Amino acid sequence: EAQVTQNPRYLITVTGKKLTVTCSQNMNHEYMSWYRQDPGLGLRQIYYSMNVEVTDKGDVPEGYKVSRKEKRNFPLILESPSPNQTSLYFCASSLAPNYGYTFGSGTRLTVV
Amino acid sequence: EDQVTQSPEALRLQEGESSSLNCSYTVSGLRGLFWYRQDPGKGPEFLFTLYSAGEEKEKERLKATLTKKESFLHITAPKPEDSATYLCAVQAVGGAQKLVFGQGTRLTINP
Repeated sequence: EAQVTQNPRYLITVTGKKLTVTCSQNMNHEYMSWYRQDPGLGLRQIYYSMNVEVTDKGDVPEGYKVSRKEKRNFPLILESPSPNQTSLYFCASSLAPNYGYTFGSGTRLTVV
Repeated sequence: EDQVTQSPEALRLQEGESSSLNCSYTVSGLRGLFWYRQDPGKGPEFLFTLYSAGEEKEKERLKATLTKKESFLHITAPKPEDSATYLCAVQAVGGAQKLVFGQGTRLTINP
């Protein structure tokens, strides 16, 4: 089944403890992206990648890092999480620049 | 700055009662306008991409249209399973993979 898989689905962590949210797609898509979704603010893009080793900032990149060492994987790294990063995170992938994205099921992160 | 505004925020309809959702956008040059459906606790599900004014696309009870300033998602004779939040997003020419989303319209269809 074609899909984008994120792990974990739920995570509660403490301020300052580094964490990684994994994202993997099995559709051989070149384009991948991370979003956060907050009530009243909608979906906002954090980072995106156009190919292996090619990444760029979205609208809200502060406090996040990404890497794209393999085509299928696009992990999101929070080096020192803070409570304002409590949010619902989505990874997504696309075959081409102006095609629709396929989204993962989301990761609900709580930072206390 | 690229912007997307969706209206209404929420819409409650009776089963079979047709209506339209609006997506107004401001973008330097439109590469594509996207419609997604999102169910509670799930990731957005892709519905349509529209590329130029005058374009229309249909899927079951949904029809999306595009003008130079706005897009409409028309829902004909909706069923309770059409209840969801509908999201609109735009991608600008030269904007690489940047997608700007609206806040969404929460649609409820009562049986």
